[in-house]
Amino acid sequence: DAGITQSPRHKVTETGTPVTLRCHQTENHRYMYWYRQDPGHGLRLIHYSYGVKDTDKGEVSDGYSVSRSKTEDFLLTLESATSSQTSVYFCAISDLGWNSPLHFGNGTRLTVT
Amino acid sequence: DQQVKQNSPSLSVQEGRISILNCDYTNSMFDYFLWYKKYPAEGPTFLISISSIKDKNEDGRFTVFLNKSAKHLSLHIVPSQPGDSAVYFCAASGTAGNQFYFGTGTSLTVIP
Repeated sequence: DAGITQSPRHKVTETGTPVTLRCHQTENHRYMYWYRQDPGHGLRLIHYSYGVKDTDKGEVSDGYSVSRSKTEDFLLTLESATSSQTSVYFCAISDLGWNSPLHFGNGTRLTVT
Repeated sequence: DQQVKQNSPSLSVQEGRISILNCDYTNSMFDYFLWYKKYPAEGPTFLISISSIKDKNEDGRFTVFLNKSAKHLSLHIVPSQPGDSAVYFCAASGTAGNQFYFGTGTSLTVIP
């Protein structure tokens, strides 16, 4: 298994509070991704990173920000959580980008009440 | 707008028979296609991939077929086993960017 750790695994928070999810990898892969999984939508890309301090938006980036200060860590922040952000969040890593497989962590289940 | 589509939400197959999962895409710039398997409460696991220069790739019981003219790919599992019961996602990416686009998944049940 690829060395990807997501924390926390579960979190319940209230509307309007900030939340940060962490992804840590031990593979030294250049590319890191945050996806959310929702029924009927599959996996949708929130943000991705192609290097330290290099990030770009995905198709559902509104309401989310990311940071990558070290190769191994990629943080996803919800500045002010909303109920529509209740979801399962997956981090993924890739060695070469678009033409190499993504490897996923085990996810964080976030509930916003 | 969904660029990768899996039109069958679920599929049931008898153990030992062939499972065929289908996927369609709309973006002709996609060059690389992947299949993932997902069990509940776990992350998706990479199964097999194919690049656009090929029309078939095999790995053990799993074969992926790509029909570029039809913008269609399929995953064949032969023979199907109960442990194959999971949700299967197809995904696509291309030289235009580093994003991977996923389908909505097909839930496969292999009946013993």
